[in-house]
Amino acid sequence: GQNIDQPTEMTATEGAIVQINCTYQTSGFNGLFWYQQHAGEAPTFLSYNVLDGLEEKGRFSSFLSRSKGYSYLLLKELQMKDSASYLCAVTDSNYQLIWGAGTKLIIKP
Amino acid sequence: ETGVTQTPRHLVMGMTNKKSLKCEQHLGHNAMYWYKQSAKKPLELMFVYSLEERVENNSVPSRFSPECPNSSHLFLHLHTLQPEDSALYLCASSQEIGGGGNEQFFGPGTRLTVL
Repeated sequence: GQNIDQPTEMTATEGAIVQINCTYQTSGFNGLFWYQQHAGEAPTFLSYNVLDGLEEKGRFSSFLSRSKGYSYLLLKELQMKDSASYLCAVTDSNYQLIWGAGTKLIIKP
Repeated sequence: ETGVTQTPRHLVMGMTNKKSLKCEQHLGHNAMYWYKQSAKKPLELMFVYSLEERVENNSVPSRFSPECPNSSHLFLHLHTLQPEDSALYLCASSQEIGGGGNEQFFGPGTRLTVL
């Protein structure tokens, strides 16, 4: 079966750095997405990786290793507004998006 | 209005009621999606439409009935639901179906409670 694994919850301190991991086993691979979802709101797109390596976008970076079926989202200089759930999703060989259950990130002052 | 809108934002219904959820996208996209989001579970894809044609139906019970009259509007008709159908129902759209950078844009969702 197809599976996306990410930690259920993480806690970090304001101003620090946090890395949220995602591992996947899917039938084929056509790209990996990270979305942010604040409580009670819609998921919003953060990043997309299809080739190995690091994609940097301001305070957020996303890394992909296709051979390891692994990605991480790196958040720097954490702010209280970064408290949210972070969803990892993989496009499989049929171009269907397979979603992880999300990682709830709690930022403490 | 911009982006993806959904109405109503909250809905409480009895098991014998019939109601409809509405989604509208103002992005000129060709693909639209219905998802179910339950607490601590992955997003469950329910239906996918491309240019008003249904291309995906992930074994969804018949008490959920989608309708896509045009590429900007998507409905989810509900009847004789069960309490376990209580969840957040999200609508999304993307330029096309498929991989590449076809990121999905989500609406705010309808919080559905079935009594």
